[in-house]
Amino acid sequence: GAVVSQHPSWVICKSGTSVKIECRSLDFQATTMFWYRQFPKQSLMLMATSNEGSKATYEQGVEKDKFLINHASLTLSTLTVTSAHPEDSSFYICSAREAASGTDTQYFGPGTRLTVL
Amino acid sequence: AQSVTQLDSHVSVSEGTPVLLRCNYSSSYSPSLFWYVQHPNKGLQLLLKYTSAATLVKGINGFEAEFKKSETSFHLTKPSAHMSDAAEYFCVVSEFRTYKYIFGTGTRLKVLA
Repeated sequence: GAVVSQHPSWVICKSGTSVKIECRSLDFQATTMFWYRQFPKQSLMLMATSNEGSKATYEQGVEKDKFLINHASLTLSTLTVTSAHPEDSSFYICSAREAASGTDTQYFGPGTRLTVL
Repeated sequence: AQSVTQLDSHVSVSEGTPVLLRCNYSSSYSPSLFWYVQHPNKGLQLLLKYTSAATLVKGINGFEAEFKKSETSFHLTKPSAHMSDAAEYFCVVSEFRTYKYIFGTGTRLKVLA
């Protein structure tokens, strides 16, 4: 149980275009989902916290107009990278916290590799 | 504020020998602590978690960790390393009330044949 999927697993886009990444909890309901960014050989950096039915909370230094997050249901959150540029190339990982568990355990998706040309 | 420090950025062991990955934490509250493993270009897999029920926590794939309050440590161990254990390991503390994860910088484990 507690499986989180991400789609796509990798994407290549041209500079200036927008890219949407989906994060789904497959077998549980997630009140909270988190979006991380990971640079090569580095730790994960939290970008934002996404709560179902409310606006996302962004970490300091993360542009909310560039990284649009929508948490439309208890099983789906999306991250849209708008007007992507090469410096946005990175590994994006989402995680989900189960609503009913009462615990703080996060389950992670497999990640999405974004390359902006 | 809460934090975790992973003391080694790289650890190399021979196959069949014990593994020790070190983590120290700082927290004003009783912490929730986790170890995750990340294989190349993959997401993170939960190895084990400590939530104050027992100080010795057993996880998957033969890993275990011991919570030592007096030493503010949560080291990850395994009696015998396997080639498939080669990966990046992250020690994590969960932030009180917000449930945000605070990550250590990671330890890359290399297993030599």
